[in-house]
Amino acid sequence: NAGVTQTPKFQVLKTGQSMTLQCAQDMNHNSMYWYRQDPGMGLRLIYYSASEGTTDKGEVPNGYNVSRLNKREFSLRLESAAPSQTSVYFCASSERQPTEAFFGQGTRLTVV
Amino acid sequence: DQQVKQNSPSLSVQEGRISILNCDYTNSMFDYFLWYKKYPAEGPTFLISISSIKDKNEDGRFTVFLNKSAKHLSLHIVPSQPGDSAVYFCAASAVYSGGGADGLTFGKGTHLIIQP
Repeated sequence: NAGVTQTPKFQVLKTGQSMTLQCAQDMNHNSMYWYRQDPGMGLRLIYYSASEGTTDKGEVPNGYNVSRLNKREFSLRLESAAPSQTSVYFCASSERQPTEAFFGQGTRLTVV
Repeated sequence: DQQVKQNSPSLSVQEGRISILNCDYTNSMFDYFLWYKKYPAEGPTFLISISSIKDKNEDGRFTVFLNKSAKHLSLHIVPSQPGDSAVYFCAASAVYSGGGADGLTFGKGTHLIIQP
């Protein structure tokens, strides 16, 4: 049982480049999330999708877009990467109730 | 303003003793609380949770206590083991008020170090 799978695990981008982080879950969860974690900070919510076909902004959505491709997949896109987006990105999924979320291994992104 | 606060960035405890990690919250809408454990280069893993209708939840060596009036929760680990060395995140959600699918609000984490 893979749980939540994120690709890639590591990425280096130049400022202004674009990329898409992929996330897939095999637990038939309705809700999916993208978080970022910066040094000394907790995880901050970027975007979430409460159910297939819906997406909403979280705490720090600027500079990102998301797509809930189907129930399994939720991608995060950086259209024009900036050094401030250097971070570790975590995808998570959960049922609506309760909200125990399962996390992927993370994507370590560096923007130079 | 931080809605979930973990005021101790790190905590060092001797193996076999009790570890107590603390968390405070400010949002009165929060009604479901969780603790996550995170090792380096891995995603957070769920440890234990508690809803606001309870004041204690126990799972093996881990116990979470909730004091709603003080907006405070704590995680007790007894006895502490070397494998418990990790970063612990407190998280909160407004599940029963309909905000459960909106994601979790996390504290900044406490790095627990278990010394032999």
